[in-house]
Amino acid sequence: ELKVEQNPLFLSMQEGKNYTIYCNYSTTSDRLYWYRQDPGKSLESLFVLLSNGAVKQEGRLMASLDTKARLSTLHITAAVHDLSATYFCAVDAPSAGNMLTFGGGTRLMVKP
Amino acid sequence: ETGVTQTPRHLVMGMTNKKSLKCEQHLGHNAMYWYKQSAKKPLELMFVYSLEERVENNSVPSRFSPECPNSSHLFLHLHTLQPEDSALYLCASSQDPAGASGANVLTFGAGSRLTVL
Repeated sequence: ELKVEQNPLFLSMQEGKNYTIYCNYSTTSDRLYWYRQDPGKSLESLFVLLSNGAVKQEGRLMASLDTKARLSTLHITAAVHDLSATYFCAVDAPSAGNMLTFGGGTRLMVKP
Repeated sequence: ETGVTQTPRHLVMGMTNKKSLKCEQHLGHNAMYWYKQSAKKPLELMFVYSLEERVENNSVPSRFSPECPNSSHLFLHLHTLQPEDSALYLCASSQDPAGASGANVLTFGAGSRLTVL
């Protein structure tokens, strides 16, 4: 069974600070996705990582994938309040029928 | 309309009621999904339809019954639910569930918030 774990589950940080969210998964895969969910709203796709060493950046967010370590990171640089949301990683793998399995989410609160 | 549309957005029902959730996608995708999002658990995949055929069930209780009449529409029929079924039900669609193109990016609807009394 494919398991996807995120940490931390909750993160409160000051504006201007840097931090990293971690996503570990339990089986071989080279396809990892990051989504954002604002309160009361749906999930929005942020990044798609499709190979070992893949790095994607959008504004203050940067995602990377290490398939050997089965680890993805979402790095936040100089956080701003607008980044407050819940962030989910998801993995699809042949062992899971190529269906997405989501992590538990990291709820990020950026304080002024 | 564009994207993935879900109705109703909010639903309150008793345990003996029968109701349905509706999802419609306007993206030309060939797969549709139902996910359950509750406060204490990660997003749970309930059902997957690819080219209108169900390919994943994930041991969901029979009180949830999906229907996919065509590639643009997906329903979730609800009957004799339990209070623990109260959750946000998210519909999603994607272009290539088998991953042949290298990615399976889901587009989600806004969700239907279900409360079972």
